Amino acid sequence: SQQGEEDPQALSIQEGENATMNCSYKTSINNLQWYRQNSGRGLVHLILIRSNEREKHSGRLRVTLDTSKKSSSLLITASRAADTASYFCATDDLGQGGSEKLVFGKGTKLTVNP
Amino acid sequence: KAGVTQTPRYLIKTRGQQVTLSCSPISGHRSVSWYQQTPGQGLQFLFEYFSETQRNKGNFPGRFSGRQFSNSRSEMNVSTLELGDSALYLCASSEVSGGSYEQYFGPGTRLTVT
Repeated sequence: SQQGEEDPQALSIQEGENATMNCSYKTSINNLQWYRQNSGRGLVHLILIRSNEREKHSGRLRVTLDTSKKSSSLLITASRAADTASYFCATDDLGQGGSEKLVFGKGTKLTVNP
Repeated sequence: KAGVTQTPRYLIKTRGQQVTLSCSPISGHRSVSWYQQTPGQGLQFLFEYFSETQRNKGNFPGRFSGRQFSNSRSEMNVSTLELGDSALYLCASSEVSGGSYEQYFGPGTRLTVT
């Protein structure tokens, strides 16, 4: 089952603009991660934010986490054409074996036009 | 360090056949997780292996199985292939088990079932 749900499903912007993607989840989490996937390839880890953190930065990326609303946002500032990709949030979920697993949302497809 | 490698990259099989996919994790990583990605269902967790033991399993039928070797390399097997098994199969490795840590993904194996 999907834990995270990204919004919007698709986003098209011009180079230089900021892109904001949102993620909502259903259950309590220990942390939330964001990944990027270029067309049909493997995922690349962007950032991990723990449940006791509210904001985290990495280069042009800014992630916020609001555990009371069970939501997170990913902001990419000064976007570039190379940022064109799908972005996924993933949360930890206690699985059947008692160990955590990552549960991914369906992703936001970002297109940055040059 | 070399990244996660998956072989083969592309595979075409016929309904009813079986297939084995291979994943070599980053050196020193003992956890390997497998995911299935389809346009309709998104990224779904298949299973995780840590130190040759299955730690967690997703909601897939018994036709999907896996194993991990002493060198942490992992294989997954799908028997009696169905058309719906066509997907991108991704493996990911991490230093420790569970969803609270960054996972490093391979490029994936694109399986087409005809």
